[in-house]
Amino acid sequence: AQTVTQSQPEMSVQEAETVTLSCTYDTSESDYYLFWYKQPPSRQMILVIRQEAYKQQNATENRFSVNFQKAAKSFSLKISDSQLGDAAMYFCAYRSYQGAQKLVFGQGTRLTINP
Amino acid sequence: DVKVTQSSRYLVKRTGEKVFLECVQDMDHENMFWYRQDPGLGLRLIYFSYDVKMKEKGDIPEGYSVSREKKERFSLILESASTNQTSMYLCASTSSSGVQGPYEQYFGPGTRLTVT
Repeated sequence: AQTVTQSQPEMSVQEAETVTLSCTYDTSESDYYLFWYKQPPSRQMILVIRQEAYKQQNATENRFSVNFQKAAKSFSLKISDSQLGDAAMYFCAYRSYQGAQKLVFGQGTRLTINP
Repeated sequence: DVKVTQSSRYLVKRTGEKVFLECVQDMDHENMFWYRQDPGLGLRLIYFSYDVKMKEKGDIPEGYSVSREKKERFSLILESASTNQTSMYLCASTSSSGVQGPYEQYFGPGTRLTVT
């Protein structure tokens, strides 16, 4: 079974600075998807960024980018120019390429943005 | 926009009660999921369904059951609520075709259930 680990329960960063959230996973599969989801306080979970394991290029979405290291089974999220609206719980998630589309989530990292 | 709604944001029930949590999605998604969210544990899958009347157990199905009579609606049932089922419950849906992007799951706002 796959597992996802987020070792940082809480992180904080100054507004406009850059922060990196860590995620590692364990799998024996060669093809899969990885996701970062954001859950703002009292608001719905939304997708931040996704990465297909067969793509070597790291995904980027505006100020959000990932560092995907397949051999090391690492999938970190970098947030550049942090904004107050980035404050949220961030979850890393894994999905197998084949079969059921269920997600396996990490424990989450609570990100605080200091003005 | 995809919309996933859940019947209640907050719910308080007594031990032993039968509890129904309802989830509705408006994007004709085949797949629907129920997760439980607890601090320090992230989200854990309770049950999922890939078609009407079809269901599969997730990682923590004990004490729960589900019903999917219509494609847009997926219900989570706590047969006899217990205090250890106090938690946040999140519903999600996704398309099998990947049309909206590779299998992104869309989440509802969550139901915070307290069992006393």
